[in-house]
Amino acid sequence: NAGVTQTPKFQVLKTGQSMTLQCAQDMNHNSMYWYRQDPGMGLRLIYYSASEGTTDKGEVPNGYNVSRLNKREFSLRLESAAPSQTSVYFCASSETLLAKNIQYFGAGTRLSVL
Amino acid sequence: EDQVTQSPEALRLQEGESSSLNCSYTVSGLRGLFWYRQDPGKGPEFLFTLYSAGEEKEKERLKATLTKKESFLHITAPKPEDSATYLCAVQARTGGGNKLTFGTGTQLKVEL
Repeated sequence: NAGVTQTPKFQVLKTGQSMTLQCAQDMNHNSMYWYRQDPGMGLRLIYYSASEGTTDKGEVPNGYNVSRLNKREFSLRLESAAPSQTSVYFCASSETLLAKNIQYFGAGTRLSVL
Repeated sequence: EDQVTQSPEALRLQEGESSSLNCSYTVSGLRGLFWYRQDPGKGPEFLFTLYSAGEEKEKERLKATLTKKESFLHITAPKPEDSATYLCAVQARTGGGNKLTFGTGTQLKVEL
């Protein structure tokens, strides 16, 4: 039972380079999320997709773009990476029932921007 | 703005020494409060959801409780395998997208 799968696990970029972080879930969830986790800051929401075909900005969207490719996949793109984007990125998914919003997380992508 | 504050930042316990972690929150109408466990190098793992004041949930050595202003995660007779960072998050009734606001976590170390 894979759950939420993120690729790659590690990545090193030079300032100005671009890359796409991939996320796929096999739980038939409607909602998907991208977070970043920095020391002392907690998890902060970058973008989310409430359902297939929709995306919305979270708390820290600047410098990122997202694509909800289909119900299973939600990608995060850095167009021109900056050192401030060095972080651990987590993808999560959840059902959209009112009373249940358990978000299930992937293992993360550790990104360093030099 | 929704806020979550966790204390202490770090906690060191001896095996068998019970204690509690605190999560204080301010939110514009609570829809749910969530506890997660995070091991080094891994993603958060869901533990509990609490929806209303007075609610309690248990799982093995862990028990989560909820009041109108805070939640406690009680750890009874902890073992070394309980060592992890424990994260608290809240979901507000207002706003869309099932968004969660996370605290910065309590790093727990249980020693033999």
